[in-house]
This record gives sequence, C-alpha cells and structure tokens, in this order.
Amino acid sequence: SQQGEEDPQALSIQEGENATMNCSYKTSINNLQWYRQNSGRGLVHLILIRSNEREKHSGRLRVTLDTSKKSSSLLITASRAADTASYFCATDAWTGANNLFFGTGTRLTVIP
Amino acid sequence: DGGITQSPKYLFRKEGQNVTLSCEQNLNHDAMYWYRQDPGQGLRLIYYSQIVNDFQKGDIAEGYSVSREKKESFPLTVTSAQKNPTAFYLCASTWGHSNQPQHFGDGTRLSIL
Repeated sequence: SQQGEEDPQALSIQEGENATMNCSYKTSINNLQWYRQNSGRGLVHLILIRSNEREKHSGRLRVTLDTSKKSSSLLITASRAADTASYFCATDAWTGANNLFFGTGTRLTVIP
Repeated sequence: DGGITQSPKYLFRKEGQNVTLSCEQNLNHDAMYWYRQDPGQGLRLIYYSQIVNDFQKGDIAEGYSVSREKKESFPLTVTSAQKNPTAFYLCASTWGHSNQPQHFGDGTRLSIL
C-alpha cells in the first residue's frame, strides 16, 4: 500500500506550544499534501509540497519533506485552541489521475 | 460562493435498501472522488471520475455504484450488497492535472437502522 502513516496518533499540548506531526510513506511521490479535519467535518487543504522541494511555509505552518527517508513533518507554531483537529498527510500515486492516498491521521488537542 | 455540497448530512438505511448520497460542485472541477472514513481511520477511496461519463473503481468499490452524467454531480449509491455501510462518506473534487489540492464537502454520515 502507498498509504502514509502519521506519528504520533494523538498529541496533546498547551496553547502557545509548538506541535510537530510526522508522516512516512512507502513509494516515490510527485507531491505530498497536508489536510486538517475538524470533528464531523470535511477535510481542508493546508499545504502542498512537491518532491523537489525540501521546506515550505504558510503562516504558522512549516512543512518539510525528505524524499530520501520518505518522510515529511508538519510543524504548527504558537498553537491555539482552534488548532484542535485531526491532521492527515496524503501522497499522490503517479497514475496521472491525481489520486491521493491518505494516512490515518494525528489527533491534535490544544489545551487552553 | 464556490464549493462542494453533500446531502443529506445524516442518512439511515434499512436492511436490503439502496441509498444514494448526493455530491454537487460548482468549482468547474474535472475530477471528483468518493471516500469512506471509519472512526479513527484515514480515508479510503471508493470511486473516482476524471471526466463526465467515465469513472473508475477505487480500493473499496464493492457494494457501491456511481454515475457521472454531469460535470457538477457525482452521486454515490450504497447498495444492499454493502454489508457494513455505517461510516462517514466524503466527496471531493479537483482539477484534472497533478499537483492540485482536493476540495472536500462536509460529509454524509450513514447509519443502519
């Protein structure tokens, strides 16, 4: 399976702290994406990093990609209670169909 | 506002019954997808469609059927052959080429009566 795996499965931090989530995958990719899901809602796209990029920033989000280790990390700085959600990484399949393979997610809880 | 609309938000199925979940998008996206999400799990692909009148099976297509008669619409039917249909169903769409994010609806939660 090409599915990514996030680590840890659950993470609980205090407001203001940084949160780091990791994703590992198995095969070569064209890009890796991170999504956020609030409870009972759809997924929201956060950031896309291409295979030839090593780091990308968007506001308080920082994503790194190491294709040699087949891994990525998502860092959320200065976390807020509103960041409480599940975070998923997704990799593409090189099939030309833009299909994505999702990991099982990291459940982040930010305590006010 | 552009987006994806899934309906209904909650759906209940009786034994032996087929039910249809609606997904409509006004983003002019070419590709549309159906995913199933079980509690505490990631998303698994049921079916996808890259253009009108064409669709492909995903990883868990058994017991499901779809149609793509219009670009904006991609309904999913959960048939009586799907013995464990209780799950959260998510529809997504995107442009047809690579390196594009997927846009998701807010899901339909299907339960068995």
